[in-house]
Amino acid sequence: AQKVTQAQTEISVVEKEDVTLDCVYETRDTTYYLFWYKQPPSGELVFLIRRNSFDEQNEISGRYSWNFQKSTSSFNFTITASQVVDSAVYFCALTTNNAGNMLTFGGGTRLMVKP
Amino acid sequence: SQTIHQWPATLVQPVGSPLSLECTVEGTSNPNLYWYRQAAGRGLQLLFYSVGIGQISSEVPQNLSASRPQDRQFILSSKKLLLSDSGFYLCAWNDRGESAFGSGTRLTVV
Repeated sequence: AQKVTQAQTEISVVEKEDVTLDCVYETRDTTYYLFWYKQPPSGELVFLIRRNSFDEQNEISGRYSWNFQKSTSSFNFTITASQVVDSAVYFCALTTNNAGNMLTFGGGTRLMVKP
Repeated sequence: SQTIHQWPATLVQPVGSPLSLECTVEGTSNPNLYWYRQAAGRGLQLLFYSVGIGQISSEVPQNLSASRPQDRQFILSSKKLLLSDSGFYLCAWNDRGESAFGSGTRLTVV
């Protein structure tokens, strides 16, 4: 069985602060993929990043950065200099190559960035 | 690239009425397709997934059913809606690390 845990249900920061969203996963498979999605108030899921289990290199994209650590089964997401437009629910997700290839989502973290 | 079409975008239905939400995918063949539901303020719950035509797996027993009449078509249905069926429904495709989502259907049962 696979599981994704986002322990932070809600985070509130003031604009320009840095914020890290935590994600811890569980799987018995050696090949798997991790995702982060953003869900703005409109509801659609916006893809942010995909990382496979063999690539532990951290990634930076503008104000976004991701820290993948297999040793702790974590895939944390940091927003630098947060902006009001970053306010949304963020989901971490996991999938493997097994039958079904289902995406398992964490419970989501609601980020509120105040001006 | 893969594209998922999902409709309608919003739906208001009375209790006891039937439901049919449709999802079609373009740009791939024999896709794995999924239906998720998100209750207000909650996370995403997997309802059904399908690895091929006529093959449906249910993750959560409930008032809903799913069908896969064609390779690229996935339908979510109910014969009689309950108030608790209200939520945001998302169709998804996933294959070896690639994934895509429909734009979602916001269902309100009144």
